[in-house]
Amino acid sequence: SQQGEEDPQALSIQEGENATMNCSYKTSINNLQWYRQNSGRGLVHLILIRSNEREKHSGRLRVTLDTSKKSSSLLITASRAADTASYFCATALTGGGNKLTFGTGTQLKVEL
Amino acid sequence: DGGITQSPKYLFRKEGQNVTLSCEQNLNHDAMYWYRQDPGQGLRLIYYSQIVNDFQKGDIAEGYSVSREKKESFPLTVTSAQKNPTAFYLCASSDIFLTGAGEGYTFGSGTRLTVV
Repeated sequence: SQQGEEDPQALSIQEGENATMNCSYKTSINNLQWYRQNSGRGLVHLILIRSNEREKHSGRLRVTLDTSKKSSSLLITASRAADTASYFCATALTGGGNKLTFGTGTQLKVEL
Repeated sequence: DGGITQSPKYLFRKEGQNVTLSCEQNLNHDAMYWYRQDPGQGLRLIYYSQIVNDFQKGDIAEGYSVSREKKESFPLTVTSAQKNPTAFYLCASSDIFLTGAGEGYTFGSGTRLTVV
């Protein structure tokens, strides 16, 4: 079964708006990562947040982690058409080494 | 440039045939992984290897086999026992020690396998 479930499944916004995607997971984790996938391509690593961290920033990306609620959010500020892609959260489970379990993804469409 | 290369990009298989997907990396990563992605779905782990000559089954290993004879290479064989092999296959690698520094997986560009 999927460890991570993203919400919403699909999101459509206008360029310049912010996009927020959420991820929920079921078991204890070492870290949580977010990846981006353009259609028909491989995934690209965006950001990693450790279980003892609550918030992390990278450029226009802001990730939060709430281990008590077993949830994370990815915020993309001032979105651009080029941000159109699928976004996946992935969890490294406690005791699972470096193995990642991926969620079902959020399809983001940024319109001009 | 360092990276991870998957070949071929598209592969067609007849029913009952075995096919092998290639994955090569020059990143000096110890760990390598194979995932399967079905349309509109997330990734599911098939096999992974954290060191040469050793590998472990993932969540959906049935009908697949792998080898890890060299650090750079982690080929995946889709056998005739895999009843529904049509999917997008992604290979990834990672440096286990750099995960603590915020490094994630590096993915290849994928192989799309279709049974004809």
